Amino acid sequence: QQQVKQSPQSLIVQKGGISIINCAYENTAFDYFPWYQQFPGKGPALLIAIRPDVSEKKEGRFTISFNKSAKQFSLHIMDSQPGDSATYFCAASKRTSYDKVIFGPGTSLSVIP
Amino acid sequence: GAVVSQHPSWVICKSGTSVKIECRSLDFQATTMFWYRQFPKQSLMLMATSNEGSKATYEQGVEKDKFLINHASLTLSTLTVTSAHPEDSSFYICSALMGLAGEQFFGPGTRLTVL
Repeated sequence: QQQVKQSPQSLIVQKGGISIINCAYENTAFDYFPWYQQFPGKGPALLIAIRPDVSEKKEGRFTISFNKSAKQFSLHIMDSQPGDSATYFCAASKRTSYDKVIFGPGTSLSVIP
Repeated sequence: GAVVSQHPSWVICKSGTSVKIECRSLDFQATTMFWYRQFPKQSLMLMATSNEGSKATYEQGVEKDKFLINHASLTLSTLTVTSAHPEDSSFYICSALMGLAGEQFFGPGTRLTVL
């Protein structure tokens, strides 16, 4: 019930295209859903996050869509650029209790020119 | 923005020695810090939750006597890998929980190689 599923495992997108990564969770107690971006040899960095009372959140080229009833959420990267090539992790936590973050398995994104 | 540092960024040691990794929150106080381990092309695996002034809470399967965690102040947590062996070689990442917002900020990671 603590698991967060993520797909696809890897993704290749052409420059200017849309990258879409999907995640699903089981535990309805989760109330905070962040996405992290990680470059090789670096720690993960918070990209964007959403709470379940909102169905969509947009920050620049990055958008989270959230479907509470389906217990699914997704990351859309518009106008993908080669610099976006990284590993993306969705995650979930019970933020109200400062609980640990449960990470998905990750998606390796490659944006090709 | 909130910054978390780790030291060292990489370390190579001989089998049987102990290695200490420091995690510092540079511009905020963190009562809670987390330690993760990451193998190549895999996700982050939570090892333990470190609370200032109290004993760390270890995840199932993590040996508390091997991975000693100390959170002596609101800005510093340390992870000591005792009697390290080659299978302990990994990327160790810490994160710090920032106040009431509950945002976790991650350090840059420490690459440990045990020969």
